[in-house]
Amino acid sequence: ETGVTQTPRHLVMGMTNKKSLKCEQHLGHNAMYWYKQSAKKPLELMFVYNFKEQTENNSVPSRFSPECPNSSHLFLHLHTLQPEDSALYLCASSQDVLAVYNEQFFGPGTRLTVL
Amino acid sequence: AQSVAQPEDQVNVAEGNPLTVKCTYSVSGNPYLFWYVQYPNRGLQFLLKYITGDNLVKGSYGFEAEFNKSQTSFHLKKPSALVSDSALYFCAVRGPYTGTASKLTFGTGTRLQVTL
Repeated sequence: ETGVTQTPRHLVMGMTNKKSLKCEQHLGHNAMYWYKQSAKKPLELMFVYNFKEQTENNSVPSRFSPECPNSSHLFLHLHTLQPEDSALYLCASSQDVLAVYNEQFFGPGTRLTVL
Repeated sequence: AQSVAQPEDQVNVAEGNPLTVKCTYSVSGNPYLFWYVQYPNRGLQFLLKYITGDNLVKGSYGFEAEFNKSQTSFHLKKPSALVSDSALYFCAVRGPYTGTASKLTFGTGTRLQVTL
């Protein structure tokens, strides 16, 4: 499999559930990102990892907890979410966070619905 | 702070006609500019980027974009639109490396509708 993959593609959860989103990149990149995409709003950067180390947390509520066990895998653990957290969650990767001219490669996203 | 403006929520064009999707940006220093496309139920797909050099950048699927420093614009263009080009288009900007990595800032997106 090539590129950036995300599972699951769709997720419906209640506000008291705990679930995890998974992202895997097969591009040999060292940087990985989580974005939130809501209708009519720009993409919101949530977290950035470079060589497994978190380099940015964009004031994301603690009910979202990222984990990056290695440069190829990224998780987003979800706990006690709110209905306003319903959105498309996109994972992306790039060669290196510091190489600002490199494009990011995106996965297909997980469509999350919080009831 | 850096920002991107895509002034049109939607652009409608007939197949075979030229298309333009507008983007203006604000950033300190020289910009790195990107265009991405998103098809329904898919992630963002990279189209093209401007780093330096020639102001006209060519990318995937016959798209090109023109960097205009004085107008701080990076409009996406295609000489002849196809129905299959119908999608959501995002412009993004990143500032130069200044000791810490700068964020990639996206616009709100422009929906392109190409009709027969």
